[in-house]
Amino acid sequence: DTAVSQTPKYLVTQMGNDKSIKCEQNLGHDTMYWYKQDSKKFLKIMFSYNNKELIINETVPNRFSPKSPDKAHLNLHINSLELGDSAVYFCASSQVGGLIQETQYFGPGTRLLVL
Amino acid sequence: DAKTTQPTSMDCAEGRAANLPCNHSTISGNEYVYWYRQIHSQGPQYIIHGLKNNETNEMASLIITEDRKSSTLILPHATLRDTAVYYCIVFTGNQFYFGTGTSLTVIP
Repeated sequence: DTAVSQTPKYLVTQMGNDKSIKCEQNLGHDTMYWYKQDSKKFLKIMFSYNNKELIINETVPNRFSPKSPDKAHLNLHINSLELGDSAVYFCASSQVGGLIQETQYFGPGTRLLVL
Repeated sequence: DAKTTQPTSMDCAEGRAANLPCNHSTISGNEYVYWYRQIHSQGPQYIIHGLKNNETNEMASLIITEDRKSSTLILPHATLRDTAVYYCIVFTGNQFYFGTGTSLTVIP
């Protein structure tokens, strides 16, 4: 069974649309993350949620909104998609998180292409 | 910002040891060094981490200098499947910062 899973794997959509990416982890971890990897392959953190509470919110447009229905899920909603949102989005989780440095486990990524 | 510097790319012959260096001269006393790798089109994969002592697991060994300003990841017997981008990361503040990594190519 996949530890951190994401759906969909590929997402192609038009500018201005609203879309969601789902993430689930079955590791029993308390903290989940969203990262964005752009065309230059830089991987940057966007959000971090610990037990359904937001703890990291990097400088990300407010068109991006994470939602955590429970600690095993962290979904990413994107409103009014723009061309520059095209990237690979990775979900990750860690056991405790917060200010504690520990191993993070990554999902397979969602490749978003905005046309 | 990433607190680590790595060579952009390296080659290694299949079956030989791959030694990937990393500089982290501004590392703080309680910050761990983590290594991840990203095989093309996949999510980053955890390899190993350490604080002061050398570490070894089924994937790799991590050698950290005594002053902790640099480290080396060693893949003892590189295979073609080890071709990937390898990231050396120091946990800064409350998050990982991924730098540009080293693109390792294992050559048959």
